[in-house]
Amino acid sequence: GAVVSQHPSRVICKSGTSVKIECRSLDFQATTMFWYRQFPKQSLMLMATSNEGSKATYEQGVEKDKFLINHASLTLSTLTVTSAHPEDSSFYICSASLPSGLQDTQYFGPGTRLTVL
Amino acid sequence: EDQVTQSPEALRLQEGESSSLNCSYTVSGLRGLFWYRQDPGKGPEFLFTLYSAGEEKEKERLKATLTKKESFLHITAPKPEDSATYLCAVQLNTGGFKTIFGAGTRLFVKA
Repeated sequence: GAVVSQHPSRVICKSGTSVKIECRSLDFQATTMFWYRQFPKQSLMLMATSNEGSKATYEQGVEKDKFLINHASLTLSTLTVTSAHPEDSSFYICSASLPSGLQDTQYFGPGTRLTVL
Repeated sequence: EDQVTQSPEALRLQEGESSSLNCSYTVSGLRGLFWYRQDPGKGPEFLFTLYSAGEEKEKERLKATLTKKESFLHITAPKPEDSATYLCAVQLNTGGFKTIFGAGTRLFVKA
């Protein structure tokens, strides 16, 4: 149980194009999903928290107009990197929150490797 | 300031050589502490959640413990397949239940 998928797993695009990444909770409903960015050999950096049916909450320093998040249903959240540039190249990981007793455990997707040429 | 610190940054062990990874935290309020394993190029895999000081959880060769200031991930008789980065995360009990991740410990187990 508690499986989270991401699609695509890898994407290469030209500078200036937009890229959409999907995150799905496959066997549970997630009221909250999170989007992280991870640079090589570094830990996860939270970009935004996404709640179904409402606007995402972005962390300080994350451009909401550049990283568009849509949480359309309890099992799907999307991250769109608009007008991508080489500095946006990174590993993007989503997670979905599953309430478990007194905590909300985050289950992570496999990640999406974005390379912007 | 809420902070999660993991040590060491990297740990090299021989197969069968038991050791511990440390996660120390300074937070305004703890709701839960999580351990994850992350293999290169993959998303973190959930291992344990701990809620209160004194709590312990075990899974195969791994055992996680929690005090009021830190958590340890003990690895007993590790095998090469245990090589990975181990991440510690603390969920706050303040509004939004924000989760803060440590930088991780990269574990290398040599056969």
